[in-house]
Amino acid sequence: DIQMTQSPSSLSASVGDRVTIACRASQSIGTYVNWYQQTPGRAPKLLIFAASHLHNGVPSRFSGSGSGTDFTLTVSSLQPEDFATYYCQLAYSNLFTFGPGTTVHIK
Amino acid sequence: EVKLVESGGRLVRPGGSLRLSCAASGFIFSESEMLWVRQAPGKGLEWISFLSSSGSSYADSVKGRFTISRDNAKNSLYLQMNSLRAEDTAVYFCARSALLNSNGYYLYYFDSWGQGTLVTVSS
Repeated sequence: DIQMTQSPSSLSASVGDRVTIACRASQSIGTYVNWYQQTPGRAPKLLIFAASHLHNGVPSRFSGSGSGTDFTLTVSSLQPEDFATYYCQLAYSNLFTFGPGTTVHIK
Repeated sequence: EVKLVESGGRLVRPGGSLRLSCAASGFIFSESEMLWVRQAPGKGLEWISFLSSSGSSYADSVKGRFTISRDNAKNSLYLQMNSLRAEDTAVYFCARSALLNSNGYYLYYFDSWGQGTLVTVSS
C-alpha cells in the first residue's frame, strides 16, 4: 500500500506568515494528490486538487505544488481563519489514503 | 446547493451491526461517485470506502466487515457496518466526488462533505 506522510505534524505561526506544509508518498504517484483543511468539529474542506489546482472559492493565498513523491501546500500570508489542520490525500487507483495531518497553531 | 446529511450513528455493542445513511440533494446523485471517511476522536481522517460506477473499494481496516451501497431512487448512500469493534468508534462523513478528466488523466477529488454522524462502539 502507498503511505502518505506529512511534515511537520504541527507548527506555530503568526498572522501574515508564509507557511509551507510537506507531504510525501511512499512511491511515485504523479500528481494524484488533494489537500483539505479542517477546523475542530467541522467537516474537511477541499483546497487543492491534482496537486496544484485551486478549488473554486478558495483564496489565492493557498497554493499547491509537487509531483512524484513530494508535494507542498503553501499559504502565502496566513490569516486568522487559516489556523486549522491540513491533510494531504492520495487519490490514485481507487485508493484515497490521507496523510496524518499538520496542525497550524497561533504563535 | 449541494447538501449531504449523514444519519444512523449511535452507541452499539462490540460485535454488533449498524447501517449509516447519507441523504444527498442539490446535484445529480446517480451520476456521482461517493466516499465514506471517518475520524476517531482526536485523530486524523481515514478513508474507508469508495463507490464508483465501476465498483467499490475499501480500506484494509474495514474490508470484509463494511459494505458500501446506494439507492439512486432515494438519493441515498449507505454504509453497512458489521462485526463492529471499539476501534471503529468515530465520526463518519460522506463526501461527493468530482472528477478531473484531462487527456487520459483521471483524478477524483471530494468537494462536498456532510457534517458527520457519530458511531460509538462500546460495551
